[in-house]
Amino acid sequence: DGGITQSPKYLFRKEGQNVTLSCEQNLNHDAMYWYRQDPGQGLRLIYYSQIVNDFQKGDIAEGYSVSREKKESFPLTVTSAQKNPTAFYLCATRETSAGETQYFGPGTRLLVL
Amino acid sequence: GQSLEQPSEVTAVEGAIVQINCTYQTSGFYGLSWYQQHDGGAPTFLSYNALDGLEETGRFSSFLSRSDSYGYLLLQELQMKDSASYFCASSRGTGGSYIPTFGRGTSLIVHP
Repeated sequence: DGGITQSPKYLFRKEGQNVTLSCEQNLNHDAMYWYRQDPGQGLRLIYYSQIVNDFQKGDIAEGYSVSREKKESFPLTVTSAQKNPTAFYLCATRETSAGETQYFGPGTRLLVL
Repeated sequence: GQSLEQPSEVTAVEGAIVQINCTYQTSGFYGLSWYQQHDGGAPTFLSYNALDGLEETGRFSSFLSRSDSYGYLLLQELQMKDSASYFCASSRGTGGSYIPTFGRGTSLIVHP
């Protein structure tokens, strides 16, 4: 059963706490992306990775960090430096040799306590 | 910078045809994609244009004019299930990378 999984579905963060959002894929896609979506807004690119062990900052990388140690996994850490982290976080993948279609995971909603 | 403009909301009746416009400012432009997102769900890919002209996929069509930095999504024979948000997304490339930018989305409301 191929796809993209994101966990948890809901995540609560206390002030000053770092939290990590999981994104796993078994589509064998090379590229992976993290987006943030605020209510009534579009998707804003946080980080992206074209290949393993390489990643680049997107438009709103401040307060976030990522790693890409395995092709299947692209976790996102929301650090305490991100002062307004409440949002819907979406992970996406793309097969770099097969056009520009992105496939999205179900998302994680992050709420600050 | 990169930006895309699309209407915030469009309403239509079941069975009608609706067009959602998108204008973009994207340096190093590759192409324009369209995604659908239902409330609380993940975006799903609808269509992509790299060249000028119309691409048709069932009830959905997408158009691109590179010279006008403009595209649109056309939805025909509207159904209630088409009520959703629709996003245009431009892609640009630098140094071999593919970097997407999304518009703010258009909320389509289909009335019976």
